[in-house]
Amino acid sequence: DTVLTQSPALAVSLGQRVTISCRASKSVSTYMHWYQQKSGQQPKLLIYSASNLESGVPSRFSGSGSGTDFTLTIDPVEADDIANYYCQQSNELPLTFGSGTKLEIK
Amino acid sequence: QVQLKESGPGLVQPSQTLSLTCTVSGFSLTSNSVHWVRQPPGKGLEWVGAIWSGGSTDYNSALKSRLSISRDTSKSQVFLKMNSLQTEDTAIYFCTRGKLGPTFDYWGQGVMVTVSS
Repeated sequence: DTVLTQSPALAVSLGQRVTISCRASKSVSTYMHWYQQKSGQQPKLLIYSASNLESGVPSRFSGSGSGTDFTLTIDPVEADDIANYYCQQSNELPLTFGSGTKLEIK
Repeated sequence: QVQLKESGPGLVQPSQTLSLTCTVSGFSLTSNSVHWVRQPPGKGLEWVGAIWSGGSTDYNSALKSRLSISRDTSKSQVFLKMNSLQTEDTAIYFCTRGKLGPTFDYWGQGVMVTVSS
């Protein structure tokens, strides 16, 4: 199985730029996707195929990477961005998620 | 618009079978895959399995021996059956639509399933 590793938590000031990383245990090409999950809600797709912004998602969100190293960037961070962020790979079955990064405000 | 809604019992006894239904609207099951993803309380997301647009299925290998996913295209419903439930299966179960690869672009609100006697 492809294991995805994320930092557990990040603290950032409002208006600043934050990058959330995801490292895969093997190459997933660009089959990496990012989700935001707010407390008590279902996940929401932000970025698909490493760098494509899902329709309706603010342009403050962007993604990059290929192979094993990926990043989700939020610039600038707003209060509404407080959430858990998960990466997910679809290069091979089983589909797997990272353990999530909790974004906190300083 | 695209919608998915999970339904099923909130409480299941250990060793019993879980049966969940995902009712979809706004798209066809023969055009998109539908996946089940679960989330234990306070923990991360785990892919459970999928039924593809052609009707074939794939399962998380850790659950494969206990799991079955099927569908009724005439009713726009997808079914999950998991037997021999354990307390570790306590989770929110989401159904979600797959696209492009797949990634998951629409999600149901989820149903909380508690395994307890």
